[in-house]
Amino acid sequence: KNQVEQSPQSLIILEGKNCTLQCNYTVSPFSNLRWYKQDTGRGPVSLTIMTFSENTKSNGRYTATLDADTKQSSLHITASQLSDSASYICVVSSAQAGTALIFGKGTTLSVSS
Amino acid sequence: ETGVTQTPRHLVMGMTNKKSLKCEQHLGHNAMYWYKQSAKKPLELMFVYSLEERVENNSVPSRFSPECPNSSHLFLHLHTLQPEDSALYLCASSQRVQGPSTDTQYFGPGTRLTVL
Repeated sequence: KNQVEQSPQSLIILEGKNCTLQCNYTVSPFSNLRWYKQDTGRGPVSLTIMTFSENTKSNGRYTATLDADTKQSSLHITASQLSDSASYICVVSSAQAGTALIFGKGTTLSVSS
Repeated sequence: ETGVTQTPRHLVMGMTNKKSLKCEQHLGHNAMYWYKQSAKKPLELMFVYSLEERVENNSVPSRFSPECPNSSHLFLHLHTLQPEDSALYLCASSQRVQGPSTDTQYFGPGTRLTVL
């Protein structure tokens, strides 16, 4: 069964600290993996998209990694800011025909001062 | 803003009411989507339209009825809903239908629906 599991479920860190969010998936055949940021009361916003051949991609202070062999991805946030408080959602796309996007439940990050 | 707008932002309705959610995208995209987001659950894809044709319907109850009159507008008509239908309903668009495509999907702000 195609699944995306994220950990931790929630995380609290101090402003300025780094953190890493995890995503494990069992989607097959794999096409691409995305990380979204969703602020409270708003729709998700795309941070990164990685295909099978890419193992790292950055977007400002956000760096995503992908290990297609172990089917794991991580999102590393550097020098966190209060505005990073949000839900981070991992989404894996299957290479099967059709839309086939499998969403994780998300990790809720709270950055405190 | 993402270029995808949704109205209304909040909606409270009784189980016997009929209401509609509206989505408009100003990005020139060809694909539009409805998602349901419930607390502590992953986003659930409801419907997908590509060039105004429905290409996916994920076993959604008939009390939800989508309509795509053109590539820029998407509606979700609601009737005789249940309290468990209370959720955030998100609209999204992308240049091509998602899946193998790596096109970015742009989401609207959502409609927070409460069914009494």
